[in-house]
Amino acid sequence: AQSVTQPDIHITVSEGASLELRCNYSYGATPYLFWYVQSPGQGLQLLLKYFSGDTLVQGIKGFEAEFKRSQSSFNLRKPSVHWSDAAEYFCAVGGGMDTGRRALTFGSGTRLQVQP
Amino acid sequence: DVKVTQSSRYLVKRTGEKVFLECVQDMDHENMFWYRQDPGLGLRLIYFSYDVKMKEKGDIPEGYSVSREKKERFSLILESASTNQTSMYLCASTPSGRGGHEQYFGPGTRLTVT
Repeated sequence: AQSVTQPDIHITVSEGASLELRCNYSYGATPYLFWYVQSPGQGLQLLLKYFSGDTLVQGIKGFEAEFKRSQSSFNLRKPSVHWSDAAEYFCAVGGGMDTGRRALTFGSGTRLQVQP
Repeated sequence: DVKVTQSSRYLVKRTGEKVFLECVQDMDHENMFWYRQDPGLGLRLIYFSYDVKMKEKGDIPEGYSVSREKKERFSLILESASTNQTSMYLCASTPSGRGGHEQYFGPGTRLTVT
């Protein structure tokens, strides 16, 4: 069964500092990987996704993530955090078309606080 | 732009009531999903549907049922609401075919059962 672990429940960074949110997954084949962001009271918005190819993927709002197969990781990074980045971040894994299961498995989320 | 809408943002119901949560998407997506979100647990899949009148149980289907009579609409039904079903409910949709499984989410319905 597929699973996703986000080891950090809560992270606080200063505005302008760099950010890395960790994500480890368990999946038997090549996974589809996603990072979503949820602002308070809102639904989920896709930040970026990895399907294949270049292991460093760029997303919206200046975020990037790197797929490392050997470490089963897909960590999210941003070089300089803005106060508006305060939100909850979810990593998710999905199966390929051959699995027939198109639902995603989500991690438990990391809540990001940004200090002025 | 893909749009997924949910009938209510906030809902308060009493224990034992039958509750309907409605979700509509406007992009002709074949696949639709219902998740519940609880603090510290992330999103957990309740049910999903890959075609009209087709449904499959997700990871936590107990106490819930679903209906998909039209392609654009996917309803979640709580037959007899209980306090442990107080949660945020999120609907999502995604197309079939190649291109990966990015899901598009609605704004969520925060349900309180008293």
